[in-house]
Amino acid sequence: AQKVTQAQTEISVVEKEDVTLDCVYETRDTTYYLFWYKQPPSGELVFLIRRNSFDEQNEISGRYSWNFQKSTSSFNFTITASQVVDSAVYFCALSEARASGRGTLTFGKGTMLLVSP
Amino acid sequence: EAQVTQNPRYLITVTGKKLTVTCSQNMNHEYMSWYRQDPGLGLRQIYYSMNVEVTDKGDVPEGYKVSRKEKRNFPLILESPSPNQTSLYFCASSLSRGSSYEQYFGPGTRLTVT
Repeated sequence: AQKVTQAQTEISVVEKEDVTLDCVYETRDTTYYLFWYKQPPSGELVFLIRRNSFDEQNEISGRYSWNFQKSTSSFNFTITASQVVDSAVYFCALSEARASGRGTLTFGKGTMLLVSP
Repeated sequence: EAQVTQNPRYLITVTGKKLTVTCSQNMNHEYMSWYRQDPGLGLRQIYYSMNVEVTDKGDVPEGYKVSRKEKRNFPLILESPSPNQTSLYFCASSLSRGSSYEQYFGPGTRLTVT
């Protein structure tokens, strides 16, 4: 069975601080996809990134960066110089890559990030 | 504009009164699914559909029904809602079930059952 663990329930930082959100996953599949979604207070889910299990290159997008380490089954998300608008719940998710699979996204329980001015 | 729409966005109802939450996508996607989000539990899949007339249970299907008569629509039906179905519901669609395809989520439906 697949499992995603986000051990940090809530994180509070002051604006301009860097913050890392942890994600640890479990799967028996050799090929899978990892995702991060942002859920702002308005409630919608905003797609941030999808990473194939064969691609361990770290990725940077503006103030966002992702560190994928297959050896430790982790896919951590760092926000540099955080801003108040980054305040949201962030979800890490895992999906099998098999074409015959259910296509289900297995979500972690989420990390609530509060950025204070 | 490519999108997934859900209606209603907010609903308060009473125990036992049948309700339907509609979901529609305009991207000609084959794969659609429903998730519910509860505090401390993340999102869990209720039902999914590979294509028209093909549906199957997700992780938490009890108390829900779905149908897929048309490719664009995937309504979620609660025949006899109960308070433990109070939740935030998301519909999602993707080109196919493979994870190489991005899943597009609707805006969510907040349901309260009293």
